[in-house]
Amino acid sequence: AQSVTQLDSHVSVSEGTPVLLRCNYSSSYSPSLFWYVQHPNKGLQLLLKYTSAATLVKGINGFEAEFKKSETSFHLTKPSAHMSDAAEYFCVVSDEGNTGKLIFGQGTTLQVKP
Amino acid sequence: DSGVTQTPKHLITATGQRVTLRCSPRSGDLSVYWYQQSLDQGLQFLIQYYNGEERAKGNILERFSAQQFPDLHSELNLSSLELGDSALYFCASSVSPASGEQYFGPGTRLTVT
Repeated sequence: AQSVTQLDSHVSVSEGTPVLLRCNYSSSYSPSLFWYVQHPNKGLQLLLKYTSAATLVKGINGFEAEFKKSETSFHLTKPSAHMSDAAEYFCVVSDEGNTGKLIFGQGTTLQVKP
Repeated sequence: DSGVTQTPKHLITATGQRVTLRCSPRSGDLSVYWYQQSLDQGLQFLIQYYNGEERAKGNILERFSAQQFPDLHSELNLSSLELGDSALYFCASSVSPASGEQYFGPGTRLTVT
C-alpha cells in the first residue's frame, strides 16, 4: 500500500534562509506525488506535482521538489523563505488504481522567524 | 480561490443530530472527493464520486453517507453525531480520477457539542 512519511513535524527557519521539508514515500509502483500547503483557517492549495516526467519539479511561490527513486524521497525546497510561507505543508501520494484517492502525510508546520 | 465551494463554513450541533454538508466542484470537474481533517487522525480520505457514481470508499463510518447529483454537486450526510466527529471536512474535485491533482474547497468546520 502507498504511504508517505514526513520526517519533521515542525521546521523553523529565519526569513531569507533556505527551506527544506522532507518526505519519504512507499509505493509498489511509480507514484504520483504532490505537495499541498494549508494556511491557517484556509483550504489546501496545490504547490506542485510529480507524475513521472522530469524529476525536478517546479511549483508556485518559488518552491520545488526533487523525486529521487533510489532514496524514495520527494523533499520540498525553497531557496529563500518569506514570512508568508508560514503554513502547514503536506506531502501526498496518489493511491494506485484509478480512484485518484490521495494519501496524506501527517504534515509539517513551517515557522518563519523575522 | 480554487473554484470549489462548500457550505456551510461552520456548523455547530449536538450529539445525536444529523447534518448535511454541501460541495460544488469546479466547473468541468466530474470527480468529487470528501476528506476529513482531525487533530488525531490527520487528513483522511472518506469517499469519491465520479459523474454521479461512487468510485472509492475510504475510512468512512456507516453513519456517514454521500451522493453526487446530476448537476455534479455533492452532499455528505453525517448522522447520529458523536463528539469525535468534530473535524474539518474538505471537498475536492478533479476533471477525472486519473487527472492527478485535486482542487480543494475551503472546508466545513463541524463542531459537535
